[in-house]
Amino acid sequence: DGGITQSPKYLFRKEGQNVTLSCEQNLNHDAMYWYRQDPGQGLRLIYYSQIVNDFQKGDIAEGYSVSREKKESFPLTVTSAQKNPTAFYLCASRPGRLSGANVLTFGAGSRLTVL
Amino acid sequence: AQKITQTQPGMFVQEKEAVTLDCTYDTSDPSYGLFWYKQPSSGEMIFLIYQGSYDQQNATEGRYSLNFQKARKSANLVISASQLGDSAMYFCAMREAEGYGGATNKLIFGTGTLLAVQP
Repeated sequence: DGGITQSPKYLFRKEGQNVTLSCEQNLNHDAMYWYRQDPGQGLRLIYYSQIVNDFQKGDIAEGYSVSREKKESFPLTVTSAQKNPTAFYLCASRPGRLSGANVLTFGAGSRLTVL
Repeated sequence: AQKITQTQPGMFVQEKEAVTLDCTYDTSDPSYGLFWYKQPSSGEMIFLIYQGSYDQQNATEGRYSLNFQKARKSANLVISASQLGDSAMYFCAMREAEGYGGATNKLIFGTGTLLAVQP
């Protein structure tokens, strides 16, 4: 079945450590996104990529980095510069801009806790 | 500035009854899209329904319908015949520049409404 796989589902990190969250999709979607969700808040956009080897900052990109070397993969690195990294992270994808489809498909999320 | 407001942090509804979840939005773009997503306790976001700003009729998808009132900038979700499995967080979201290939395809989300369906 086609979908988005995020790993790990749960992750613990010590302060000062970088951590990378994986996002893989087999939907042949061109665009991919990373969102952050905090309790009592909606989703906020961290980074997005509309094509391979290109990505743009979202609303809260500070302390995060991404890469898009393959169409299927869009890993997110939470760096030690992110001051409050404990959150639920959601990856999403959608077809390309000219396909006519509008809907984002989401993965199951990764919950990061900084100890 | 683009903004989504959901004023109901939580709601209860009896099984088999209908429930309306409120959503208001603010945008200066005449072309936009409105979405509702469901988030069960597992965490995954599930797409429910979409309404384009130029759509003449309110969107419907099975038991879900969207009460779109453009002049009031509201896009309320109506769930008919509630089921126990409908208990979840519900998010309203908006994307501007619809019809232009979705522009940056950025979705702006509200803070969500937690719906509890009681037997």
